[in-house]
Amino acid sequence: GQSLEQPSEVTAVEGAIVQINCTYQTSGFYGLSWYQQHDGGAPTFLSYNALDGLEETGRFSSFLSRSDSYGYLLLQELQMKDSASYFCAVPNYGQNFVFGPGTRLSVLP
Amino acid sequence: DAGVIQSPRHEVTEMGQEVTLRCKPISGHDYLFWYRQTMMRGLELLIYFNNNVPIDDSGMPEDRFSAKMPNASFSTLKIQPSEPRDSAVYFCASSLQGDTGELFFGEGSRLTVL
Repeated sequence: GQSLEQPSEVTAVEGAIVQINCTYQTSGFYGLSWYQQHDGGAPTFLSYNALDGLEETGRFSSFLSRSDSYGYLLLQELQMKDSASYFCAVPNYGQNFVFGPGTRLSVLP
Repeated sequence: DAGVIQSPRHEVTEMGQEVTLRCKPISGHDYLFWYRQTMMRGLELLIYFNNNVPIDDSGMPEDRFSAKMPNASFSTLKIQPSEPRDSAVYFCASSLQGDTGELFFGEGSRLTVL
């Protein structure tokens, strides 16, 4: 089966950089996704890494190391609106995604 | 496209009542997923369909839960009878075939069973 680990909470100040780590154990690996969820909202897709390395999308970047079964989400120039929960997820033999427990990010003024 | 549409957004019911949650996926998407989210258990996959066919329902908690997808544009998740421990937010999501890593979630149905 699949299991993922993330820190439960992270706190940072506006303008700072924060990294949210994710380690996973899978019986077959296809890629690592990241989702953002604001309180009361739905998860929304941020990024997907199928290959090793860094993918950049604006202020957000995502990194994957398949040999280490590890990835992270990097958020730069933090804004108050980035306060949310962030989930890593891996496909379970294809399209069925298993989600990590989530990391609650609090951005302070 | 309007995105994934779920109804109702909120449902409050009494223990023992039947609950039906509805979902309209994004047109053209091949996969439909039902997830449940609680503080204790996080986001759990209940069941998913590919081209209207149930592929994996191992996450369905018990026989009280059932899901159908009679056509490509509609799915239901039914709980009968409901229990207080079923209280959660139920999300429907859809996706395209292929290695995109992206699920499109609806806004969720918040269920409270008293």
